Amino acid sequence: EVQLLESGGGLVQPGGSLRLSCAASGFTFSGYAMTWVRQAPGKGLEWVSSISGGGGGTYYADSVKGHFTISRDNSKNTLYLQMNSLRVEDTAVYYCAKEGVYGSSLLWYFDSWGQGTLVTVSS
Amino acid sequence: QSALTQPASVSGSPGQSITISCAGSRSDVGSYNLVSWYQQPPGKAPKLLIYEVTKRPSGVSNRFSGSKSGNTASLTISGLRTEDEADYYCCSSAGSSSLKVVFGGGTKLTVL
Repeated sequence: EVQLLESGGGLVQPGGSLRLSCAASGFTFSGYAMTWVRQAPGKGLEWVSSISGGGGGTYYADSVKGHFTISRDNSKNTLYLQMNSLRVEDTAVYYCAKEGVYGSSLLWYFDSWGQGTLVTVSS
Repeated sequence: QSALTQPASVSGSPGQSITISCAGSRSDVGSYNLVSWYQQPPGKAPKLLIYEVTKRPSGVSNRFSGSKSGNTASLTISGLRTEDEADYYCCSSAGSSSLKVVFGGGTKLTVL
């Protein structure tokens, strides 16, 4: 059974940093691209960033480019999101999600999701 | 690039069918057969219902079906059940632009 468990969320002041983690199990982690999607309180889903299975390809939404960094450690089956220069508008539940297709092709659909971790940016 | 456009809410009675539309553009829905749909019950994580416009993952009821015409995708739910009450989101690849993936704004389904 695929399991994705996010951690690292919390309350942070504007301008601060946080690193989110997503521990994966139940599948060959290195064979799948992974993605972060966020959801601001009472709002819809927003794609944040994706990374290829090997880690060589990374993609970012314009809203986070330059202040978020996605990475992965395939030896630890863990996905990360380093968030710097946090802004109030980054407040959201952050979900990690698994790409639906194995290998290097990215079909941009997500067949497993974690339960999310809440990031609150406030002074 | 804007989010895909979905109706804010739809409703139906048990046993009926409803359709949720997802309007995009030639840059996303119209160019790629990479539309997916997700169901999100209140307070829970999204769940994949449909991928590549019409395909259903194993375990998803055949009451859920997807289609696309031009720049607009649609999700149809037949034989509505009270447990279908949730938020529904469409999603599309946006190709080679910097915005790789775009979601719709979400539709709240109420089963009366």
